[in-house]
Amino acid sequence: AQTVTQSQPEMSVQEAETVTLSCTYDTSESDYYLFWYKQPPSRQMILVIRQEAYKQQNATENRFSVNFQKAAKSFSLKISDSQLGDAAMYFCAYRTGGADGLTFGKGTHLIIQP
Amino acid sequence: KAGVTQTPRYLIKTRGQQVTLSCSPISGHRSVSWYQQTPGQGLQFLFEYFSETQRNKGNFPGRFSGRQFSNSRSEMNVSTLELGDSALYLCASSLSAGQQETQYFGPGTRLLVL
Repeated sequence: AQTVTQSQPEMSVQEAETVTLSCTYDTSESDYYLFWYKQPPSRQMILVIRQEAYKQQNATENRFSVNFQKAAKSFSLKISDSQLGDAAMYFCAYRTGGADGLTFGKGTHLIIQP
Repeated sequence: KAGVTQTPRYLIKTRGQQVTLSCSPISGHRSVSWYQQTPGQGLQFLFEYFSETQRNKGNFPGRFSGRQFSNSRSEMNVSTLELGDSALYLCASSLSAGQQETQYFGPGTRLLVL
């Protein structure tokens, strides 16, 4: 079975500092796509960043970047200059060809300390 | 461009009843997927529709069904409601079907079964 593991149920960081959220996945596929979604208290899922598995270059979106290690099946999210608005649940997800939709991890609750 | 909309936002039903949830995708998006989110099971894929056809279905009983209309709007139906069906139901749309497509989520419908 395909799985996504987020080993940190909760993380806390001081405002303006950097935090890294971990994600590992298990798949036998070679072609797949990886995503990080953010879910604030409003419960609206918001796309943060996506990574194509065939691309070696790590994706970056402003203060958000990933460290994609394909051989290790690792896909961590780094948030630089953390802001209060970054406080949310963060979900790692992936999808493979012909897949049953997105497969999500259990999420990491990110707390930003002012 | 307006985002994904879901109606109703909140719903209370009793066991044995049935419920219909609606999702309007982002304009131009032709694929709609549904997910169930619960504290215990996390986010689980229900089904995906593209061009009025169900492409994929997750591991849910037949009480869960859906359909998509010619304007890409989608509905999901749950018959004979059980207490365990209480959840946040999220709809996501994408331009087309396939693993490469990024899914954009709506605000969800919170269903409480009493």
